[in-house]
Amino acid sequence: GAGVSQSPRYKVAKRGQDVALRCDPISGHVSLFWYQQALGQGPEFLTYFQNEAQLDKSGLPSDRFFAERPEGSVSTLKIQRTQQEDSAVYLCASSLGPSGRPGELFFGEGSRLTVL
Amino acid sequence: DQQVKQNSPSLSVQEGRISILNCDYTNSMFDYFLWYKKYPAEGPTFLISISSIKDKNEDGRFTVFLNKSAKHLSLHIVPSQPGDSAVYFCAPLVQGGSEKLVFGKGTKLTVNP
Repeated sequence: GAGVSQSPRYKVAKRGQDVALRCDPISGHVSLFWYQQALGQGPEFLTYFQNEAQLDKSGLPSDRFFAERPEGSVSTLKIQRTQQEDSAVYLCASSLGPSGRPGELFFGEGSRLTVL
Repeated sequence: DQQVKQNSPSLSVQEGRISILNCDYTNSMFDYFLWYKKYPAEGPTFLISISSIKDKNEDGRFTVFLNKSAKHLSLHIVPSQPGDSAVYFCAPLVQGGSEKLVFGKGTKLTVNP
């Protein structure tokens, strides 16, 4: 499809396991974002890429969280040694960047992570 | 410390009437304000935005009002339709940076037929 694609849609992990969440942005979008949405909360910023460069990772909650976008397209969010507090929906979004409307992000459906 | 507050977790209105959703913010550096709409099991989608140099922006049934001195914005939907039932997020940003949106907790709107 033409939208942002995320996989897996649902992931159940045992505490201590590593997980990897994938995001396939809209073709041609230079900016890519990861957000974390806990139950009953709004999305919270994790990290931002412009092409392959990670320009802002100020929202990553700990060094267990790592994101990459090596070729400026697909991105992976990796969480090591998962904890119960990591349970949330992880949203990926892409945008045209400076040439688009400010703040107009196109979100995927999210990956729901449950840590037991 | 919440920079963006949506103090009404939920709102219920009758079809055809006006829906008014409110948002307050504390960061005076915010200079562009967006509203996003989210249906269950879907990602948020952009609805309408306003620059800090304006006080009103209208798009069809949706109007956003900005009161900078009060650090307050509101979204008006008129007439409300059952398909408008969703969670609405206020999300401002500081332009010139990373387009990092700061989301409120959202208001769940229910429009009753």
